[in-house]
Amino acid sequence: AIQMTQSPSSLSASVGDRVTITCRASQDIRDDLSWYQQKPGKAPKLLISATSRLQSGVPSRFSGSASGTDFTLTISRLQPEDLATYYCLQDYNYPWTFGQGTRVEIK
Amino acid sequence: QVQLVESGGGVVQPGKSLRLSCAASGFSFSSFAMHWVRQAPGKGLEWVAVIVYDGSNKYYADSVKGRFTISKDESKNMLYLQMNSLRLEDTAVYYCLRRAMAGDNWGQGTLVTVSS
Repeated sequence: AIQMTQSPSSLSASVGDRVTITCRASQDIRDDLSWYQQKPGKAPKLLISATSRLQSGVPSRFSGSASGTDFTLTISRLQPEDLATYYCLQDYNYPWTFGQGTRVEIK
Repeated sequence: QVQLVESGGGVVQPGKSLRLSCAASGFSFSSFAMHWVRQAPGKGLEWVAVIVYDGSNKYYADSVKGRFTISKDESKNMLYLQMNSLRLEDTAVYYCLRRAMAGDNWGQGTLVTVSS
């Protein structure tokens, strides 16, 4: 199975800060990488699919990019409502695999 | 609108079985692959299984292969997860998931607790 290594496991940042979260795939997954946001007690919400395709209704401060097998989720200006845990998911082949998650806290 | 409603969770002893259900509505159920994803308490997300749109192929996480079986009944718009030989580490909230080009749809989840 493809391993997804996500970092950091947690971070604390101030409102307005630029935040980056990274996932590294253990092999080539083309652009088949999605990003999810999960708030406590809620189901995950898809933010970005296919590395950089922003889902409808998701604020434009969220963006995704890739360099080889390294994928990045960027929040350009952190907002209080971005308090959540973020996960990457490779949907290149089965079994799909999630990253370990990044908890984002607001300073 | 698309709706997914899971049911069937509960408390079960190790080694026993449980069947989860997911009632789907608001879309053409036979046209989409359907997934199960789980989340142990305080832990991350784990993809569990998928059944492709026509039911011809099923894939599983290594952690459940040989113990869990995914299936669907298109006449009832129902997705199932038969879980056998349950282990303590299967304790989790189980979500059903539909993936579409326009985005995801998730159920609210059903809690399975494996405990002696």
